[in-house]
Amino acid sequence: EDQVTQSPEALRLQEGESSSLNCSYTVSGLRGLFWYRQDPGKGPEFLFTLYSAGEEKEKERLKATLTKKESFLHITAPKPEDSATYLCAVQANNYGQNFVFGPGTRLSVLP
Amino acid sequence: NAGVTQTPKFRILKIGQSMTLQCTQDMNHNYMYWYRQDPGMGLKLIYYSVGAGITDKGEVPNGYNVSRSTTEDFPLRLELAAPSQTSVYFCASSYSTWTGGYNEQFFGPGTRLTVL
Repeated sequence: EDQVTQSPEALRLQEGESSSLNCSYTVSGLRGLFWYRQDPGKGPEFLFTLYSAGEEKEKERLKATLTKKESFLHITAPKPEDSATYLCAVQANNYGQNFVFGPGTRLSVLP
Repeated sequence: NAGVTQTPKFRILKIGQSMTLQCTQDMNHNYMYWYRQDPGMGLKLIYYSVGAGITDKGEVPNGYNVSRSTTEDFPLRLELAAPSQTSVYFCASSYSTWTGGYNEQFFGPGTRLTVL
């Protein structure tokens, strides 16, 4: 069964303390892996799309990487405004338009 | 551009009532989606549409109906509401070409629905 898991469930960091979030997936042929940020009471906001193992993308303090079984979202020197829930989603070759989302990692960055 | 808008923001229904959740996008996207998000769970796809007049079921379609008469609008209908439909509902849209480009999904702000 295709699935996406994320760890940790919640993460608390001090401002400036770098860390990584993990997204592990099991799919029969990956079409794309997506990272979103979700603030409380709002809809998810797109961050990155990764298509193949070895690919990396960066945006400000965030860097996403992809292997054949997992993706990491690295957060360098985070600020309090980076506090949010980070969602990972995959689209498999046999899913059509169905995207499988993970449960998310709730990140808190303390000043 | 307003992006993806959803109404209402909040709604409380009684068991057995019906309602329509509205979704409109002004980005001329061809794909539109409805998801539900339950606490501690990932977003689950309810229905999606690849263009006006074309809709298809997602992972959890039971108890819901959709229609897409225009590019901009994609309403979600709940018939005979049940407590299991208590959730936050998100509408999303994206633009994809026949060559298979997978552009990002833009999400609306959500509708929080409670069925009592």
